Amino acid sequence: AQSVTQPDIHITVSEGASLELRCNYSYGATPYLFWYVQSPGQGLQLLLKYFSGDTLVQGIKGFEAEFKRSQSSFNLRKPSVHWSDAAEYFCAVEGGGFKTIFGAGTRLFVKA
Amino acid sequence: DVKVTQSSRYLVKRTGEKVFLECVQDMDHENMFWYRQDPGLGLRLIYFSYDVKMKEKGDIPEGYSVSREKKERFSLILESASTNQTSMYLCASRPGDSTYEQYFGPGTRLTVT
Repeated sequence: AQSVTQPDIHITVSEGASLELRCNYSYGATPYLFWYVQSPGQGLQLLLKYFSGDTLVQGIKGFEAEFKRSQSSFNLRKPSVHWSDAAEYFCAVEGGGFKTIFGAGTRLFVKA
Repeated sequence: DVKVTQSSRYLVKRTGEKVFLECVQDMDHENMFWYRQDPGLGLRLIYFSYDVKMKEKGDIPEGYSVSREKKERFSLILESASTNQTSMYLCASRPGDSTYEQYFGPGTRLTVT
């Protein structure tokens, strides 16, 4: 069955430190992968997506993600976190038939 | 900018009431979705619609119905609200091409007492 796992329920990083949020997926074919961010009181916004080609994809707000087929992973990274990055982050895979499968989310806390 | 709006940010209803959640998008998207968001469970698809008057069940349709009479509007209906339907409800829309990007509304936090 298709699934997305985000192993970390929450992560705390210091402002200016680097960030990596983990995502593992289970999907039979070549996956279409996404990272969304949900700021407090708001809906989800797309950060980046991977369909094919270069396995390192750039997104908005300085985020990037790397697709590793051998590890079934699509981890999100940012070299220097800002306080405004505090939010919940969702990894997702396009499941076909109009269905997108979301992970449970990772909440990011940023400390000064 | 694509805009998806939801009729209420917060809603409190009593058990057994009929509840309507409205969603409107302004980008002429073919596809619209209703999700339920609960802590630790991520987003779960309730229903989606790929055209006017067309609807398909998602993963958790029990206790819900939907209506799409116009392309821009997608309504979620709780026929008889129950306390286990207390949750955050998110509406999303997506164009009919293969970009797959969804655009989300701000959500409605529904409390059923």
